[in-house]
Amino acid sequence: NAGVTQTPKFRVLKTGQSMTLLCAQDMNHEYMYWYRQDPGMGLRLIHYSVGEGTTAKGEVPDGYNVSRLKKQNFLLGLESAAPSQTSVYFCASSSRQIQPQHFGDGTRLSIL
Amino acid sequence: EDQVTQSPEALRLQEGESSSLNCSYTVSGLRGLFWYRQDPGKGPEFLFTLYSAGEEKEKERLKATLTKKESFLHITAPKPEDSATYLCAVQPPGGGGNKLTFGTGTQLKVEL
Repeated sequence: NAGVTQTPKFRVLKTGQSMTLLCAQDMNHEYMYWYRQDPGMGLRLIHYSVGEGTTAKGEVPDGYNVSRLKKQNFLLGLESAAPSQTSVYFCASSSRQIQPQHFGDGTRLSIL
Repeated sequence: EDQVTQSPEALRLQEGESSSLNCSYTVSGLRGLFWYRQDPGKGPEFLFTLYSAGEEKEKERLKATLTKKESFLHITAPKPEDSATYLCAVQPPGGGGNKLTFGTGTQLKVEL
């Protein structure tokens, strides 16, 4: 049971570099989400998608972009990484109904 | 603004010592309240969904309850393997994408 798979699991970047985080789900879920988790802050929503080809801003969208070209994939991009973006990033997916979100195991990103 | 407050921040129990975790929320209407368990280095794992005041859900040593302003996660006779961070999240009405607002969690440590 793969569920939600995130790649890579770890990454170290230098300030100003760019990268893309990949999320893939095999549950045929319509909705997908990107969160960041920081100590003492809880999970905060960055961007989300309600279907293929759609994206929307969450609580903390600045400095990030997303794309959902295929239903099963949701990409999170950092165009010019900053130390403030050092965090653990989680992807989640859910169906349309009031159902729980299912999470991947995260990407630990450090920006020096 | 929707808010979720969890208490205590951390809790240490002896094996077999029952206790409760609290999640208080302020949201104008509630579509659902979710409990998750998060182990170190892993993504949140879904435990329960509660939809209306008075509802209760049980799973092994865990029981979740809901009132109009708070939810409790009761842990009966805990074991060391119950050690984890427990997260509470609420889904307010309206908007799109079944977005969740998370609390910062209660870190539970169960000792022999």
